[in-house]
Amino acid sequence: DAGVIQSPRHEVTEMGQEVTLRCKPISGHNSLFWYRQTMMRGLELLIYFNNNVPIDDSGMPEDRFSAKMPNASFSTLKIQPSEPRDSAVYFCASNGRNQETQYFGPGTRLLVL
Amino acid sequence: AQSVTQLDSQVPVFEEAPVELRCNYSSSVSVYLFWYVQYPNQGLQLLLKYLSGSTLVKGINGFEAEFNKSQTSFHLRKPSVHISDTAEYFCAVSRFQGAQKLVFGQGTRLTINP
Repeated sequence: DAGVIQSPRHEVTEMGQEVTLRCKPISGHNSLFWYRQTMMRGLELLIYFNNNVPIDDSGMPEDRFSAKMPNASFSTLKIQPSEPRDSAVYFCASNGRNQETQYFGPGTRLLVL
Repeated sequence: AQSVTQLDSQVPVFEEAPVELRCNYSSSVSVYLFWYVQYPNQGLQLLLKYLSGSTLVKGINGFEAEFNKSQTSFHLRKPSVHISDTAEYFCAVSRFQGAQKLVFGQGTRLTINP
């Protein structure tokens, strides 16, 4: 199994630019989670999907952030416009139906200058 | 809502010494408990989990943890650490059934000195 795949692994952009992070969950998993990791706030859940439907987006910081899951094998997290305070590592995770364990991708390290 | 407190932000130990990383949680409902490890510049990897049953759970790499409901704790232990155990360790909880989102502690950085 390939595990959770995230791209890009690293992204450097300038303030104001649009950033799109991508995630491919483990095949057969029906829940997908986006987390953000920063020194100040640690690991925090941004949004999660169940069967491609957003269930809880209360962690999304503001309207500049949006996430989609058009099908069971792909999700995007978009930041538009990006700001320096968005610099963080963004993780995607997935788990299967009736499974408690979430499997994490390697993360995307984002730096907004 | 659930919350997790990891009592030590950093733990330095010598190689082959025992180690305990402490985790306390708060929840008004039953929870599942997890320990994840993050090696430098990598994602999170599951070490072990408590779902139900025996309160002592064993995980990978020789780690184990004990669930103590009365003290709302889930401390992680290893009897003899190795240099390769140097990493950041995260305790996390999720609600028993229902929403499966994880709530993480702030992490404990374990440093193994030769």
